[in-house]
Amino acid sequence: EPEVTQTPSHQVTQMGQEVILRCVPISNHLYFYWYRQILGQKVEFLVSFYNNEISEKSEIFDDQFSVERPDGSNFTLKIRSTKLEDSAMYFCASSDTHSGGIGGYTFGSGTRLTVV
Amino acid sequence: AQTVTQSQPEMSVQEAETVTLSCTYDTSESDYYLFWYKQPPSRQMILVIRQEAYKQQNATENRFSVNFQKAAKSFSLKISDSQLGDAAMYFCAYRSQGAQKLVFGQGTRLTINP
Repeated sequence: EPEVTQTPSHQVTQMGQEVILRCVPISNHLYFYWYRQILGQKVEFLVSFYNNEISEKSEIFDDQFSVERPDGSNFTLKIRSTKLEDSAMYFCASSDTHSGGIGGYTFGSGTRLTVV
Repeated sequence: AQTVTQSQPEMSVQEAETVTLSCTYDTSESDYYLFWYKQPPSRQMILVIRQEAYKQQNATENRFSVNFQKAAKSFSLKISDSQLGDAAMYFCAYRSQGAQKLVFGQGTRLTINP
């Protein structure tokens, strides 16, 4: 079954450093998403991306965050200057229809980001 | 804004027994979708079951079924004949029709006792 692949599985970075989280969505999917889950808290929507632009973003997704699809396969989330509170599990997801259709999205296994 | 509440942080059940996980949500919309996702130790979020709000019939997927009470804004998940592989975090999620984002509950950690 097709998978969404995220790398790395765990990343440790120093506060103030830039970090890029990488995702390879399912190849025929057109809609891409990032969610995050701070330890012990809810999974929260960050951003959705379609046709090379952001289609929706949450209030969490401020100027420190950006997303990009640099080639035909990767989808990245960049945090420009990491803060301690950015420590979380970041999930990438993709879907082949707008809004994920009734089937929902396919999620990756997540990248655990630890900011020290 | 829509909210999703899972009032049971942890649940446990004996293997082969039945367990029900609770979920309530708050919305003023009439058309929406509800989902249950499973997050095993591998961390991947896996779709378990989904329900369209306009459908009165409760969704069923093998051992998994839901009790969807639209008026009460309740969407519980029933797992029958629990198996060790069912042990995971379970998240209830809401999505407005036409919207892109999922709104998740806090999750329920399910333990299966052999």
